[in-house]
Amino acid sequence: QKEVEQNSGPLSVPEGAIASLNCTYSDRGSQSFFWYRQYSGKSPELIMSIYSNGDKEDGRFTAQLNKASQYVSLLIRDSQPSDSATYLCAVRSGGSYIPTFGRGTSLIVHP
Amino acid sequence: GAVVSQHPSRVICKSGTSVKIECRSLDFQATTMFWYRQFPKKSLMLMATSNEGSKATYEQGVEKDKFLINHASLTLSTLTVTSAHPEDSSFYICSAPLRTSEFSSYNEQFFGPGTRLTVL
Repeated sequence: QKEVEQNSGPLSVPEGAIASLNCTYSDRGSQSFFWYRQYSGKSPELIMSIYSNGDKEDGRFTAQLNKASQYVSLLIRDSQPSDSATYLCAVRSGGSYIPTFGRGTSLIVHP
Repeated sequence: GAVVSQHPSRVICKSGTSVKIECRSLDFQATTMFWYRQFPKKSLMLMATSNEGSKATYEQGVEKDKFLINHASLTLSTLTVTSAHPEDSSFYICSAPLRTSEFSSYNEQFFGPGTRLTVL
């Protein structure tokens, strides 16, 4: 059973702070890792993908992957109220089209 | 990113009727598409994998006779909820994978905007 675990939150941070979202996964054969943002009532939107150990930066977002420890994280710098959403972690094993989604972490950025 | 559309975005129907939801990949071909269901404040639940030119693959516990899937072309998959009941009310979302790198394993999912179904 492949599992992807996320703290449901809510994680509350002040505007301008760094928000840190974490995700752990059970399948050591996992090769692809994704972070999606989902606003209330909307569908998920892909914001980051990462495939190798280390950090990957895109604007205010940084994804961090540590395969040895089986975790992937997302850092959001200079958090804005518009970042308030649920962030879904998804993990995919090699040879499979189908990712396994975590339950998501609710992020609240307050002014 | 790649664009996936869904139609309709919202539908309200009476119990016992059937509802068809369309999912289209607008600027790429998708031999595979996925259908998810999401209840309020719950995680995404994969219902089935839609395969162009062949039968869909359903996840355990999903009734294939109730949720009919047809992948008629490389850009269109449809989900029909037959004889809908109030417990079928949910947010239905499709997605399509797109290879975004020369490495075959680099394959990202792009979601449609979703269809909110309300069965009265």
